[in-house]
Amino acid sequence: EAQVTQNPRYLITVTGKKLTVTCSQNMNHEYMSWYRQDPGLGLRQIYYSMNVEVTDKGDVPEGYKVSRKEKRNFPLILESPSPNQTSLYFCASRALAVDTGELFFGEGSRLTVL
Amino acid sequence: AQSVTQPDIHITVSEGASLELRCNYSYGATPYLFWYVQSPGQGLQLLLKYFSGDTLVQGIKGFEAEFKRSQSSFNLRKPSVHWSDAAEYFCAVGRYTGGFKTIFGAGTRLFVKA
Repeated sequence: EAQVTQNPRYLITVTGKKLTVTCSQNMNHEYMSWYRQDPGLGLRQIYYSMNVEVTDKGDVPEGYKVSRKEKRNFPLILESPSPNQTSLYFCASRALAVDTGELFFGEGSRLTVL
Repeated sequence: AQSVTQPDIHITVSEGASLELRCNYSYGATPYLFWYVQSPGQGLQLLLKYFSGDTLVQGIKGFEAEFKRSQSSFNLRKPSVHWSDAAEYFCAVGRYTGGFKTIFGAGTRLFVKA
């Protein structure tokens, strides 16, 4: 089954404690992206990657890092989380070779930073 | 700057009634237009998309949307709503700026009453 898998789905942490949210897709997609969803703001792009070892900032990259060492994986790293990073996070992927623009989303990771 | 506006934060309709969710965009050229649905606890799923051609597009789950260039709108419609349609709906605009970027509206939450 084609899917994007995120872990963990739910996480409560404290300010300053480094955490990583993993994302993996099994569709051989070149493009992967992280979004955060906040009430009234929709989805805002944090970082994206066009392919292995190619990453770039989205609209709200501050406080986040990413890496793309393998095509299937695109982890989101919060080096020193703060309460304003409490949000619902989505990983998404898309094929570039036959690009219809359709994004495939994971089920989301709800993060609470105390 | 490009933007997507969904004027209604939430809408309540009776089961069996018709539905129209509004979406307006701001973009210089004809954009790529999408509607996604997010069911509770799930990621986003593509309902339908418009790239070119017939301005009335059909999607999954009985939804359709109409692109009106003169009004910069891409409203989503369904003739008869089912209780399972209760979800949050996101309009999105895609554009090429060195790569393909997707911008999401803030979302409209649909409540269905029996």
